[in-house]
Amino acid sequence: NAGVTQTPKFRVLKTGQSMTLLCAQDMNHEYMYWYRQDPGMGLRLIHYSVGEGTTAKGEVPDGYNVSRLKKQNFLLGLESAAPSQTSVYFCASSYRDRGQETQYFGPGTRLLVL
Amino acid sequence: AQSVTQLDSHVSVSEGTPVLLRCNYSSSYSPSLFWYVQHPNKGLQLLLKYTSAATLVKGINGFEAEFKKSETSFHLTKPSAHMSDAAEYFCVVSVKGGTSYGKLTFGQGTILTVHP
Repeated sequence: NAGVTQTPKFRVLKTGQSMTLLCAQDMNHEYMYWYRQDPGMGLRLIHYSVGEGTTAKGEVPDGYNVSRLKKQNFLLGLESAAPSQTSVYFCASSYRDRGQETQYFGPGTRLLVL
Repeated sequence: AQSVTQLDSHVSVSEGTPVLLRCNYSSSYSPSLFWYVQHPNKGLQLLLKYTSAATLVKGINGFEAEFKKSETSFHLTKPSAHMSDAAEYFCVVSVKGGTSYGKLTFGQGTILTVHP
């Protein structure tokens, strides 16, 4: 049981390049989330998914797209990277049981956009 | 709407002394509250959570937190700090109602330094 895994761990992009970050979970969780972490700002929600085939915008969705084609995977895409997207990206997954929910986080992906 | 304020951006303690990390929250609905810890260059690990059962919550590594509704606080404590506790700590709120159901709102984080 690997929990939540993220690929890659680290990436350097040039402005304008595109890339996809992969999040995978083996806990059969319905809900998955993408966050970005910037110094002094905690984590901010980019996009989330409440089930296979569904996605929704979070707090800071601009410049990102997501897809949830399979229940266990949640992909985050950057179509045209910008230096402002330099950040650490965390994926999380969760399930709800009688109104209670706990999110479990992956190890993060460090992205540097030059 | 919901929000979280961590009252200290940095806390410094000596090994063996108590730790207090302060957190205030606001929410329109009944909240769930969490503390996560992040060691350098690592992901977030759940320390403990409050979900409307006992107001005093015990977590891993000797940490505990008390939910005080009247003060809208959820402070994190530990009786005796270890060097391995040095990390950044995040207080997090999630609400169980309204359009923000289940969404996490993070505090800005408190960096805990432990001196020998």
